[in-house]
Amino acid sequence: QKEVEQNSGPLSVPEGAIASLNCTYSDRGSQSFFWYRQYSGKSPELIMFIYSNGDKEDGRFTAQLNKASQYVSLLIRDSQPSDSATYLCAVNPYSGAGSYQLTFGKGTKLSVIP
Amino acid sequence: DTEVTQTPKHLVMGMTNKKSLKCEQHMGHRAMYWYKQKAKKPPELMFVYSYEKLSINESVPSRFSPECPNSSLLNLHLHALQPEDSALYLCASSQDRPGRGPSYEQYFGPGTRLTVT
Repeated sequence: QKEVEQNSGPLSVPEGAIASLNCTYSDRGSQSFFWYRQYSGKSPELIMFIYSNGDKEDGRFTAQLNKASQYVSLLIRDSQPSDSATYLCAVNPYSGAGSYQLTFGKGTKLSVIP
Repeated sequence: DTEVTQTPKHLVMGMTNKKSLKCEQHMGHRAMYWYKQKAKKPPELMFVYSYEKLSINESVPSRFSPECPNSSLLNLHLHALQPEDSALYLCASSQDRPGRGPSYEQYFGPGTRLTVT
């Protein structure tokens, strides 16, 4: 059973702080890693994807991947109340052609306190 | 442009009705997906179309019938649904992966909130 684990939270951080969201996965062969943000009642919105070990930065967001530890994280710098949402970690556990399935974690609810 | 559109936004249907959900993308993506999401749960994959052919059916009941009329459109036909089928139905699209290697990112539409009475 290929699994993706996230702390369900809620994770509360003060406005302006760094929010750190973590995700571990079970399939060592996984190659694609995605972070989605989902506001209550809305659809998931892709905010970051990462394929290689290391850090990938986009504005206030940084995704970090460590394949040896099977760990992927999302850092949100200068957190804003508008960042309050559920963050879904998604992993493609397959590497073969035509493999489309994403395994989602259950999501971490982030609350940014003004 | 990373837009996937879905209609209708909301749908209420009885258990004997037949209705359809529609999805459209103009990003040139050749893989399209239907997901179902219940409250406080992650999305669950239902179907995948690759180059307009059904690639994956995740053992979905036959009361859900997908259709891909062309590379930009995806439909989900609904018939004789049950109240437990009430959920947010999400369409997504992505580039199709040509071979081994990382899969491409999926972009979700806004969803259709379905209520079965």
